[in-house]
Amino acid sequence: NAGVTQTPKFRVLKTGQSMTLLCAQDMNHEYMYWYRQDPGMGLRLIHYSVGEGTTAKGEVPDGYNVSRLKKQNFLLGLESAAPSQTSVYFCASLEDGQRAFFGQGTRLTVV
Amino acid sequence: GESVGLHLPTLSVQEGDNSIINCAYSNSASDYFIWYKQESGKGPQFIIDIRSNMDKRQGQRVTVLLNKTVKHLSLQIAATQPGDSAVYFCAERTGANSKLTFGKGITLSVRP
Repeated sequence: NAGVTQTPKFRVLKTGQSMTLLCAQDMNHEYMYWYRQDPGMGLRLIHYSVGEGTTAKGEVPDGYNVSRLKKQNFLLGLESAAPSQTSVYFCASLEDGQRAFFGQGTRLTVV
Repeated sequence: GESVGLHLPTLSVQEGDNSIINCAYSNSASDYFIWYKQESGKGPQFIIDIRSNMDKRQGQRVTVLLNKTVKHLSLQIAATQPGDSAVYFCAERTGANSKLTFGKGITLSVRP
């Protein structure tokens, strides 16, 4: 089925560990976004990309890096995880004239 | 796990009544607006969208109204059902840089 796929769905990290979250979309969308969602905070934009090879900072970029080497994939990296990065992460993709599609989320716990 | 709706403003309505959920957006340059619904443990689900050259758009049981003068967006749900209980978010997209940002969300609770 067409859509946005996030991997992994769940992960527990120790403080200081690194990891990469993968977002893959098969709709040939140009724009992709990474959000984090915490209770009472709604979805906050971490980083986004307006096309292959481009990335830009969102509202809460600190502690995260991203890459968009292929149009269909948008990677979110945590170089040194902190407990404050415990959250649910959502990826979205969008094309002009179309609505955004979301992945099902990645629940990350940093202990 | 903790509900995504915890600590968010709550709108409580009687089943069968109409619901109106309001959203104030921040950027006068935003040109595209979306309403999403999110149930516990799931990702956001698209409800309806509207472009800045429109004032109103209707879907099935839902209507979105856009007032650009006061930067206000509303979602009207007709004949609210228990299945409408969820957290609702508005999102705005700024065409210039294609940022897509969300409001804080409102929890809709439907009383039987």
